[in-house]
Amino acid sequence: QKEVEQNSGPLSVPEGAIASLNCTYSDRGSQSFFWYRQYSGKSPELIMSIYSNGDKEDGRFTAQLNKASQYVSLLIRDSQPSDSATYLCAERPNFGNEKLTFGTGTRLTIIP
Amino acid sequence: GAVVSQHPSWVICKSGTSVKIECRSLDFQATTMFWYRQFPKQSLMLMATSNEGSKATYEQGVEKDKFLINHASLTLSTLTVTSAHPEDSSFYICSAGRTGGSYEQYFGPGTRLTVT
Repeated sequence: QKEVEQNSGPLSVPEGAIASLNCTYSDRGSQSFFWYRQYSGKSPELIMSIYSNGDKEDGRFTAQLNKASQYVSLLIRDSQPSDSATYLCAERPNFGNEKLTFGTGTRLTIIP
Repeated sequence: GAVVSQHPSWVICKSGTSVKIECRSLDFQATTMFWYRQFPKQSLMLMATSNEGSKATYEQGVEKDKFLINHASLTLSTLTVTSAHPEDSSFYICSAGRTGGSYEQYFGPGTRLTVT
């Protein structure tokens, strides 16, 4: 059974600080990893995808992947109150159009 | 962009009636679409995988005769909740995988169903 694990939180971070969200996965063969943001009452929104070991940066967001440790993280720099949401980590075993396995999500609160 | 729409955004129906929810990929073709359900403060639950031109694949525990899925074109999938009951009240969300690209999945805005 493939699993994706996240700390459910809540994680509280002061405005302007770096928020660090972590995720581990059990399937060593997984190739594709995604971070989604979900505001309360809304559907998930894709914010980052990462396929190779290392860092991938997009604006204030940096995704980090370490396949040897089966670990994915998301860093949010200069955290804003609008970043307060639940962040979902997801993985897919290969590059085909297959279903994602989601973690249960980490609730992030940015404190003004 | 990669935009997925859903219609309706919310619906209230009486117990015993059927409700159809549409999911459309507006600016890309989607060979595969996925249907999820989410109860308040709970995780996403995948209900079924919908493939264009073939039968949907349902997750364990999801009644295929109750949740009818049709994926008639590369841009449209529908979910019909048949003989709805109050326990079917939930937030139904579809996602679509972009064909021929990075296979990232994009979610629609969701449909909130209330069965009275």
